[in-house]
Amino acid sequence: DTGVSQDPRHKITKRGQNVTFRCDPISEHNRLYWYRQTLGQGPEFLTYFQNEAQLEKSRLLSDRFSAERPKGSFSTLEIQRTEQGDSAMYLCASSLVLGGEQFFGPGTRLTVL
Amino acid sequence: GIQVEQSPPDLILQEGANSTLRCNFSDSVNNLQWFHQNPWGQLINLFYIPSGTKQNGRLSATTVATERYSLLYISSSQTTDSGVYFCALGGSARQLTFGSGTQLTVLP
Repeated sequence: DTGVSQDPRHKITKRGQNVTFRCDPISEHNRLYWYRQTLGQGPEFLTYFQNEAQLEKSRLLSDRFSAERPKGSFSTLEIQRTEQGDSAMYLCASSLVLGGEQFFGPGTRLTVL
Repeated sequence: GIQVEQSPPDLILQEGANSTLRCNFSDSVNNLQWFHQNPWGQLINLFYIPSGTKQNGRLSATTVATERYSLLYISSSQTTDSGVYFCALGGSARQLTFGSGTQLTVLP
């Protein structure tokens, strides 16, 4: 399978705990994006990497959120001190070129109790 | 900010019927994509169509960038077409801005 993969697919945590998600983009894609989707809404942009450089962050990305892409391949998204409002689907996408077609992973569904 | 508006928000069809979904947007187009989101949340790429017309089986799409709209046509709908259809615009920004989607229900 050469698509975008995400792990875990589901995560249930208690309020106040830290969680980390992983995304593996399509292998030749050097652009990687994180989005968040809440129930009944379209996905909303969180952050963007070109290779290992984080070039853009949405104001949705509070200081409890941090994303990395250390070697320009896989990426991690960490949420510290989770809150119930963080419950959402977290989606990762990748593209080959700027403005090119983005391909999405299956998402990680986070539930904060 | 960039506005992406989809209509209708909900659509119920009988199997075999045709439908047109519309997407209006407020920014210039570098990237426009149509997606189908399945019940498990996976976004499935339907079309990458910043301009022009494309067809894939029973689906086709047209984007008129100068008038800032795109249309998705579904012909001879099937129950498996049910789900949420999203239009997403990549304008001057790098990321995609999504519309709120059209919930399509195809009845047998």
